[in-house]
Amino acid sequence: DSGVTQTPKHLITATGQRVTLRCSPRSGDLSVYWYQQSLDQGLQFLIQYYNGEERAKGNILERFSAQQFPDLHSELNLSSLELGDSALYFCASSDGGSNYGYTFGSGTRLTVV
Amino acid sequence: AQKVTQAQTEISVVEKEDVTLDCVYETRDTTYYLFWYKQPPSGELVFLIRRNSFDEQNEISGRYSWNFQKSTSSFNFTITASQVVDSAVYFCALTKTSGTYKYIFGTGTRLKVLA
Repeated sequence: DSGVTQTPKHLITATGQRVTLRCSPRSGDLSVYWYQQSLDQGLQFLIQYYNGEERAKGNILERFSAQQFPDLHSELNLSSLELGDSALYFCASSDGGSNYGYTFGSGTRLTVV
Repeated sequence: AQKVTQAQTEISVVEKEDVTLDCVYETRDTTYYLFWYKQPPSGELVFLIRRNSFDEQNEISGRYSWNFQKSTSSFNFTITASQVVDSAVYFCALTKTSGTYKYIFGTGTRLKVLA
């Protein structure tokens, strides 16, 4: 167990729908990162939050949004889903003050049908 | 812009063979971090090593070793006496040493170790 908890592990939904992926960071970590792993794009950085505030944005679609709550858990919201959004979504956390390599969760596998 | 290239898409070896996974990176930063992660069939990403750009010492951890050469912008990973459990996709990643610590990942190398 890495200490980073992602739920659900698997999600199957239809095109046009909206889903929410949840991430609980490792205890004490203030930063949360979201990554998307797809067959055609590889591992891509989506967004980072630090202590509740957005810190950096990557290749995140406008249909996607995220937030980090006061208890530091984070949610990634994906809306108007398309077949191409099918991917493995990873959350990672770090203490935010160093870069010793952050800890990844086990991922949420999203399948859009 | 930062970029990581893992030219080897897939490598197959027989158990007990040594295998080297290549990683070449591009960055304009003078300081940076390099990482290797392992993704076994179960899907999670497992941290293997972090290397700071000003530390060019090679590192060995059991059957794993890493060769960092700044002159050629490479950070190669060698598994000695490979085992079936080493079968996985291995990713090399690059990040800055300050500011946001987003990773730039390579496309990964799938290693198959055959019994």
